[in-house]
Amino acid sequence: EVQLVQSGAEVKKPGESLKISCKGSGYIFTNFWIGWVRQMPGKGLEWMGIVYCGDSDTAYSPSFQGQVTISADKSITTAYLQWNSLKASDSAIYYCARLYGSFYDYWGQGTLVTVSS
Amino acid sequence: EIVLTQSPGTLSLSPGERATLSCRASQTVRSSYLAWYQQKPGQAPRLLIYGASSRATGVPDRFSASGSGTDFTLTISRLEPEDFAVYYCQQYGNSVGTFGQGTKVEIK
Repeated sequence: EVQLVQSGAEVKKPGESLKISCKGSGYIFTNFWIGWVRQMPGKGLEWMGIVYCGDSDTAYSPSFQGQVTISADKSITTAYLQWNSLKASDSAIYYCARLYGSFYDYWGQGTLVTVSS
Repeated sequence: EIVLTQSPGTLSLSPGERATLSCRASQTVRSSYLAWYQQKPGQAPRLLIYGASSRATGVPDRFSASGSGTDFTLTISRLEPEDFAVYYCQQYGNSVGTFGQGTKVEIK
């Protein structure tokens, strides 16, 4: 059974760094891209970027390029999304999902990130 | 970047009625690269349709989709209580994707 299990909710202050994770299981991790999707409170889905878990190649949406870093560690079948300096506007639910060609077929449960002073 | 515009923003219908949701792209989308998702409150999105018209595993056949080029449609033939949710279209090309802003299907 394919599963993507994300790390738990985080509460951070502006300016702090953060790395959230997404552990894949039940499939060959290195054969797929994993993507990250942002959902701000009460808003829609936003494509952030993807990482190829075989070689850690990445591709970012222009809106998120330079704002976050997406990575993967194939030795522990885990993908990551990280920020160096959080802003209040980064408060959102972040989903990871497996990219099957051109669409996301399996999704993680979401990680709520709250940034507040 | 391709912009997807969904309409209407909100669709108010009764159970048993037919729902027709539209997704229009700012540029041509390869049909095989257009998908639809359903999201219920407090849940992760769920894949409904891929390749513009293929139902994902386990999706009831009351869900159908069509379209090509810049105009795509998701149809729910007879709304069941569990179908009231938000629906998103999504396209992918040149290693980047975008989502539409969503259509909320609510109970009238």
